[in-house]
Amino acid sequence: DIQMTQSPSTLSASVGDRVTITCRASQSISSWLAWYQQKPGKAPKLLIYKASSLESGVPSRFSGSGSGTEFTLTISSLQPDDFATYYCQQYNSYSQLTFGGGTKVEIK
Amino acid sequence: QLQLQESGPGLVKPSETLSLTCTVSGGSISSSSYYWGWIRQPPGKGLEWIGSIYYSGSTYYNPSLKSRVTISVDTSKNQFSLKLSSVTAADTAVYYCARLETWTWGQGTLVTVSS
Repeated sequence: DIQMTQSPSTLSASVGDRVTITCRASQSISSWLAWYQQKPGKAPKLLIYKASSLESGVPSRFSGSGSGTEFTLTISSLQPDDFATYYCQQYNSYSQLTFGGGTKVEIK
Repeated sequence: QLQLQESGPGLVKPSETLSLTCTVSGGSISSSSYYWGWIRQPPGKGLEWIGSIYYSGSTYYNPSLKSRVTISVDTSKNQFSLKLSSVTAADTAVYYCARLETWTWGQGTLVTVSS
């Protein structure tokens, strides 16, 4: 099984800050990684797919990078609407999907 | 625009079988070679993949749930379904259905396991 380790689990930041979240896979997943944003009571919203492709309609302040086992999600300038929980998800194979544990971005 | 909607009982008794259906609109389950899946999220916790089904009917399950899970597809109704047997309180969660590859999710439905 491929394990996804996401860090940090909680992040305190201010509006305008540059924020970076890391996800590490237990084995290579090439670029088969997605990032989601989730707000309370809502379904996860796709931000990034294939490690670095921005989903249509997602603000350009969100970006993803990495390949193999190390991936990052960066928010270039944190906005009030960005305070939420973020998850990574690997899809190296549709026969086995796994999610990271989540990163809660809180107001500092 | 593709939309997915979960439906089923919101309350299930311990030891019984949880049954949910995902109805797909704005696209056909059988007209394109996509995978479809179920994901769940216990209250206050993270996301857990339950299983996936190919439009042709091939299924893949999370090993931790495999003995209790069945996912099936009904192309005539444009639906796919989840059955989880012998449920306990630990199965209380919001259950989401999704089309994989494009990562289109339903809004989710809360299922509570309680007597």
